[in-house]
Amino acid sequence: DTEVTQTPKHLVMGMTNKKSLKCEQHMGHRAMYWYKQKAKKPPELMFVYSYEKLSINESVPSRFSPECPNSSLLNLHLHALQPEDSALYLCASSPAGGVYEKLFFGSGTQLSVL
Amino acid sequence: KQEVTQIPAALSVPEGENLVLNCSFTDSAIYNLQWFRQDPGKGLTSLLLIQSSQREQTSGRLNASLDKSSGRSTLYIAASQPGDSATYLCAVRGTGGGADGLTFGKGTHLIIQP
Repeated sequence: DTEVTQTPKHLVMGMTNKKSLKCEQHMGHRAMYWYKQKAKKPPELMFVYSYEKLSINESVPSRFSPECPNSSLLNLHLHALQPEDSALYLCASSPAGGVYEKLFFGSGTQLSVL
Repeated sequence: KQEVTQIPAALSVPEGENLVLNCSFTDSAIYNLQWFRQDPGKGLTSLLLIQSSQREQTSGRLNASLDKSSGRSTLYIAASQPGDSATYLCAVRGTGGGADGLTFGKGTHLIIQP
């Protein structure tokens, strides 16, 4: 299994809603990432978890709350989002977070905030 | 700070042609370079990863080369097919990148005409 699975594929939410994005991998990878990608732009790093601990937070607003319950699962909890948060949210993983490793991306969650 | 440029921004060619996509980077202190494919509204599919000590990598009809000293990489696609239509992203990993070391180019949008 060389896949990173993201659910849901699409999500529409209001500004007062609370929702969660889920990412799962069964490759035994110990580094997991959240990226945000706006249309026609490259991905931007949000968070990195290494061995289930948050190692990088790229000054992301607190309305985005990551969680790594175990080594296979990564969640992104969303609350009180703004319309400008509408984007494709990508999860990625790599074996141990080393700089020489290949990154494996999921198919993304397309989020629309109304 | 690392900067990655991909030329051309868009390319449309008839089916069956061989083509070359270009990626240039300003800081040669890199660990590796990864080529990705992205279909509209979807995640990134890793195509090839070239470590800084390597000159090229091949996978099927794809061949990627790296000239670290001149700050250039090319992705060669042989015998193009309509299914190759996608955006191709080049990502450089090095000390001049973001917190994850990565700097993405803006991509080349490729259309293969049947």
